[in-house]
Amino acid sequence: KAGVTQTPRYLIKTRGQQVTLSCSPISGHRSVSWYQQTPGQGLQFLFEYFSETQRNKGNFPGRFSGRQFSNSRSEMNVSTLELGDSALYLCASSLRTASTDTQYFGPGTRLTVL
Amino acid sequence: DQQVKQNSPSLSVQEGRISILNCDYTNSMFDYFLWYKKYPAEGPTFLISISSIKDKNEDGRFTVFLNKSAKHLSLHIVPSQPGDSAVYFCAAILNQAGTALIFGKGTTLSVSS
Repeated sequence: KAGVTQTPRYLIKTRGQQVTLSCSPISGHRSVSWYQQTPGQGLQFLFEYFSETQRNKGNFPGRFSGRQFSNSRSEMNVSTLELGDSALYLCASSLRTASTDTQYFGPGTRLTVL
Repeated sequence: DQQVKQNSPSLSVQEGRISILNCDYTNSMFDYFLWYKKYPAEGPTFLISISSIKDKNEDGRFTVFLNKSAKHLSLHIVPSQPGDSAVYFCAAILNQAGTALIFGKGTTLSVSS
């Protein structure tokens, strides 16, 4: 079974621009969660989508948004990029039959904001 | 305010010996705890988990211990192998908050041969 895939793997943007990251979950998984990893803050939860609905949201500004499509693929958008948005963005998928179902992570998208 | 803490940024162990990675948490309402391993340029890989109603879970070389009164959990790897060298993250879930994993900042384990 193919794992979680994320595209693109690397991205360079400038301040003020916007960016869209994509995540394809493991086949059959309906939940996709997004996380941000930075050296200072570590791994932080952004939001979770399940059945095309946002089910849970972390403590991030409204510039961070996402959506999920009917095939469970998910996109994450960051508008008006700031230098501090430079990070590794990870998505994770799970079956979501219970909140404790194992989350499987993709390799991440490394975003650099100049 | 960090709810999950891994106070040792790094740990060095010889091949064949035991590796013990520690994690402390502040929220006594956490329902579930997990350990993930991460290699550079890869996403975290799930290792082992434990429910808050248990005090031990074992899977091959990996054992997780939970001490609720001390709000402490530990991951034991026996025997340690060079391929275990990676960053290890402790994470917790609060059921009422959905699936959000709350991570510690990680411990880098180096296993030398």
